[in-house]
Amino acid sequence: EDQVTQSPEALRLQEGESSSLNCSYTVSGLRGLFWYRQDPGKGPEFLFTLYSAGEEKEKERLKATLTKKESFLHITAPKPEDSATYLCAVRGGGATNKLIFGTGTLLAVQP
Amino acid sequence: KAGVTQTPRYLIKTRGQQVTLSCSPISGHRSVSWYQQTPGQGLQFLFEYFSETQRNKGNFPGRFSGRQFSNSRSEMNVSTLELGDSALYLCASHWTSGKNEQFFGPGTRLTVL
Repeated sequence: EDQVTQSPEALRLQEGESSSLNCSYTVSGLRGLFWYRQDPGKGPEFLFTLYSAGEEKEKERLKATLTKKESFLHITAPKPEDSATYLCAVRGGGATNKLIFGTGTLLAVQP
Repeated sequence: KAGVTQTPRYLIKTRGQQVTLSCSPISGHRSVSWYQQTPGQGLQFLFEYFSETQRNKGNFPGRFSGRQFSNSRSEMNVSTLELGDSALYLCASHWTSGKNEQFFGPGTRLTVL
């Protein structure tokens, strides 16, 4: 069964303190791993898609990487506005666009 | 380019009632997927529609149903509401094939009393 596990559940950082969020997955025939950011009371905001092991994507202070078993979201010198829940999702094989989500990492960046 | 819109944003219903939620996808997107988000279960896939046809359905009871119109707008309906149906219902708009990132709307917050 396709599954996504995110760790840690919650992370508190000081402004400027870099760290990484982990997303482990098991899926038959990965057809994309997606990272989203979600602010309270809002829908998830798309950040990145990764398709194959070794692929990396960057956007401002965020960098996503992918291996055959996990993905990391690296946050460099975070700012308070980076505080949010970060969600990881995978799309598996077959004729479906269904996304399977992890439960997310709640990130709090303190000034 | 307008994003995904969902109406209404908030709903309060009582047990046993039914509710209809609406989603308008990004212009040009012909696929819509629905998800339920709760604190305990996270985001769970409900169903996916393309060209007015349901392509896939998640593991939810038959009380949950949906449809898509010729203009790609979609509705989902929940009948005989239960307390456990209280959740944020999210609609995602996407291409049907290829690099089909899903773009979410703001959601409809449903509270069942």
